[in-house]
Amino acid sequence: QVQLVESGGTLVKPGGSLRLSCAASGFTFSANYMVWIRQAPGKGLEWVSHISSSGNTIYYADPVKGRFTVSRDNTKNSLFLQMNSLRAEDTAMYYCARILGGGNGGADYWGQGTLVTVSS
Amino acid sequence: SYVVTQSPSVSVAPGQTASITCVGNNIGGKTVHWYQQKAGQAPVLVVYDDSDRPSGIPDRFSGSNPGPNSGSTATLTITRVEAGDEADYYCQVRDSNTEHILFGGGTKLTVL
Repeated sequence: QVQLVESGGTLVKPGGSLRLSCAASGFTFSANYMVWIRQAPGKGLEWVSHISSSGNTIYYADPVKGRFTVSRDNTKNSLFLQMNSLRAEDTAMYYCARILGGGNGGADYWGQGTLVTVSS
Repeated sequence: SYVVTQSPSVSVAPGQTASITCVGNNIGGKTVHWYQQKAGQAPVLVVYDDSDRPSGIPDRFSGSNPGPNSGSTATLTITRVEAGDEADYYCQVRDSNTEHILFGGGTKLTVL
């Protein structure tokens, strides 16, 4: 069965860096677009970034552009989110999800999330 | 940039029909997906590509979207509402100009 497991979330100071990972199993990882979505405490869903199946095409939300970098390793069925210059407003649960079809599809499988807290 | 708007809350009695709307300029020209998120859980896709249901989603859940240039409101309809349907519901589209993915602010469904 399809599984997505995020890791790497923790408490970090403002200005710090963090690398999130998402381990995928149960499907052909290299065939799917993948996406990072976050949710601040008590708030709605916010798209962060998505990456094409090959990794050649990447898009970022404006609040994270220039600070976050998404990547994938199709040989290890893994998705990553490098987060630099972290701010208090980056505090959120971070989910990775699989996108159906091409980049316009819905996200049909989600991990359980990893919590990032940015605080001094 | 493109924006989609949802009403903050909808209340319905058990057995009745809930309609949750997603409003955006010419949303009929876009593909809409809908998610259900129960408290403390990850979101679940309940409708994709405007009106398709993933396997395992009951046919009580349905989506509609007017065609291109035919309206500004997409709708998620839940018939025969049950207590277990109480959750936050989010619509999602893609801005074809920027390729950015956009979520509505979410609608909290309360089952009375």
